[in-house]
Amino acid sequence: SQTIHQWPATLVQPVGSPLSLECTVEGTSNPNLYWYRQAAGRGLQLLFYSVGIGQISSEVPQNLSASRPQDRQFILSSKKLLLSDSGFYLCAWSDRFRGDTEAFFGQGTRLTVV
Amino acid sequence: SQQGEEDPQALSIQEGENATMNCSYKTSINNLQWYRQNSGRGLVHLILIRSNEREKHSGRLRVTLDTSKKSSSLLITASRAADTASYFCATTPPNQGAQKLVFGQGTRLTINP
Repeated sequence: SQTIHQWPATLVQPVGSPLSLECTVEGTSNPNLYWYRQAAGRGLQLLFYSVGIGQISSEVPQNLSASRPQDRQFILSSKKLLLSDSGFYLCAWSDRFRGDTEAFFGQGTRLTVV
Repeated sequence: SQQGEEDPQALSIQEGENATMNCSYKTSINNLQWYRQNSGRGLVHLILIRSNEREKHSGRLRVTLDTSKKSSSLLITASRAADTASYFCATTPPNQGAQKLVFGQGTRLTINP
């Protein structure tokens, strides 16, 4: 069966420090991969999505970047965190080869920039 | 920008009552999906309705889709305290090779025992 792992669960980082959040998927190949951010009590904002290794689409201009070095690995990064980067970050995957398919989410990383 | 917008933003009802949440979207879609999120957790998929479907059932869930009005509703019948969560609709615009999922702001549902 497929599983998605996202870590760490919580993170407190000072302003100006770098960030690296990792997400890996098991049990499937060539997934679509997504990074979302959720502000407190709000909906999900799509940050990045990827259809293959090295292929990243950015949805909104921001202080973050994403990379997909391996088929089932998706990394969210920042060189210098801002206070506004605080939030709940969610990784998800979907089956690229099914026309109508749901997304499967990790448990999220709560990032607090102080 | 957000594609789906849920209404109401918050809903509080008594256990056993039915809960109805609505979602409106802006562009044409391939399908519309509903997700549930318990506080501080990831989202869990509930149900998917295709653009050529009008109604779908899954257990105590009933989803309707009106593409002419660009709207959908999620009905939870005989609510339970465990249904307390946030509920989100998500749409997949057509011709999106990545099956990009765009979420609304969600409805926070509270079931009072």
